[in-house]
Amino acid sequence: GQNIDQPTEMTATEGAIVQINCTYQTSGFNGLSWYQQHAGEAPTFLSYNVLDGLEEKGRFSSFLSRSKGYSYLLLKELQMKDSASYLCAVRDLADKLIFGTGTRLQVFP
Amino acid sequence: GAVVSQHPSWVICKSGTSVKIECRSLDFQATTMFWYRQFPKQSLMLMATSNEGSKATYEQGVEKDKFLINHASLTLSTLTVTSAHPEDSSFYICSASPSREYVDTQYFGPGTRLTVL
Repeated sequence: GQNIDQPTEMTATEGAIVQINCTYQTSGFNGLSWYQQHAGEAPTFLSYNVLDGLEEKGRFSSFLSRSKGYSYLLLKELQMKDSASYLCAVRDLADKLIFGTGTRLQVFP
Repeated sequence: GAVVSQHPSWVICKSGTSVKIECRSLDFQATTMFWYRQFPKQSLMLMATSNEGSKATYEQGVEKDKFLINHASLTLSTLTVTSAHPEDSSFYICSASPSREYVDTQYFGPGTRLTVL
């Protein structure tokens, strides 16, 4: 079966750092992506990890541990505009994206 | 680059009517397009995968006769919701991938909000 878990909601303060975790159990694995989705809009691509380790892209970093079935998205220097849902998605062996339920992040001033 | 458009952005229709949603890749050729459905406060659920010139592959539980998908060209895929009912009200999002080999790079359209009365 396919199971991708993320916390439902998180809150943080402007300027802070927040880490959004994702654990997965899937029948196949060909990489993991993170997407940002503002309410009522389509997701936008943030990162893709297929090898273990940390990938840094500006204020956003993504980490993957394949042996643990675990990933996290790290957001630094939080801004109000970062308030959104963050979706973890696993690419399976059939090249399909399986999305987690998403984490709704609220950034407060 | 890599822009995907959807039309219409929102639609309201009566129960029993059919609605067609278009998904276009504007500046690249999309070998593969995906259709997702998202209910409020839920994540995206893949409905079907379509490859240009061939029949769509539907996910388990998605009725192929109700959700007709056509991917007739490398820049256009359409989803037709036939005989729509209120339970079909949802946010429909398409995505396009320039290559079968790089489907991790999916570019999403802005979505179509369907409300069936």
